Amino acid sequence: QKEVEQDPGPLSVPEGAIVSLNCTYSNSAFQYFMWYRQYSRKGPELLMYTYSSGNKEDGRFTAQVDKSSKYISLFIRDSQPSDSATYLCAMSAGQKTSYDKVIFGPGTSLSVIP
Amino acid sequence: DADVTQTPRNRITKTGKRIMLECSQTKGHDRMYWYRQDPGLGLRLIYYSFDVKDINKGEISDGYSVSRQAQAKFSLSLESAIPNQTALYFCATSVAGSLGGGLGEQFFGPGTRLTVL
Repeated sequence: QKEVEQDPGPLSVPEGAIVSLNCTYSNSAFQYFMWYRQYSRKGPELLMYTYSSGNKEDGRFTAQVDKSSKYISLFIRDSQPSDSATYLCAMSAGQKTSYDKVIFGPGTSLSVIP
Repeated sequence: DADVTQTPRNRITKTGKRIMLECSQTKGHDRMYWYRQDPGLGLRLIYYSFDVKDINKGEISDGYSVSRQAQAKFSLSLESAIPNQTALYFCATSVAGSLGGGLGEQFFGPGTRLTVL
């Protein structure tokens, strides 16, 4: 079993739709949960991060973490063509005393059609 | 201005050739990383460095070597390239603890697309 699993897509939605992107994980030591966005021919960039369980909202984006189910989600409201990208979930235990190892999911490719 | 730059952006080479990929950063970060990205496998860590004298293997270091020439420069070498090293390679930097605990946000370069024939 991979440490982090993510639906690869591709996912294609009409403009204005609500998008749900999801990841599951197996390592209960993960405390930090991140979403990186990667546009075509670019490097990933951090979109949002949360610590432990709960929700975090930033504009049209909401990150949700359920540690009991080892499941995280990213919701995009009122999706725009500019949201078309690959979304990578990433996780880390964030230990202070050792390397801040980050495990990335394989990414979900999203296309928002005008 | 690009904060993390990688050269070359694209490279096609033949099996057995030595290849060097270079990364430079102007962010002043101590930590630097090399990843490869393959479809369906995501980003996998090759090497990481916490400072010029601290270099560590990642999960897939076989067939690769690195050099940290300065705080701002981190190079990845393929001593004898093979076709299954065909991938997209990313350099990244971070500052420890910027997100909490020991974790730092990673800033990625634009990538190098390497093809080994």
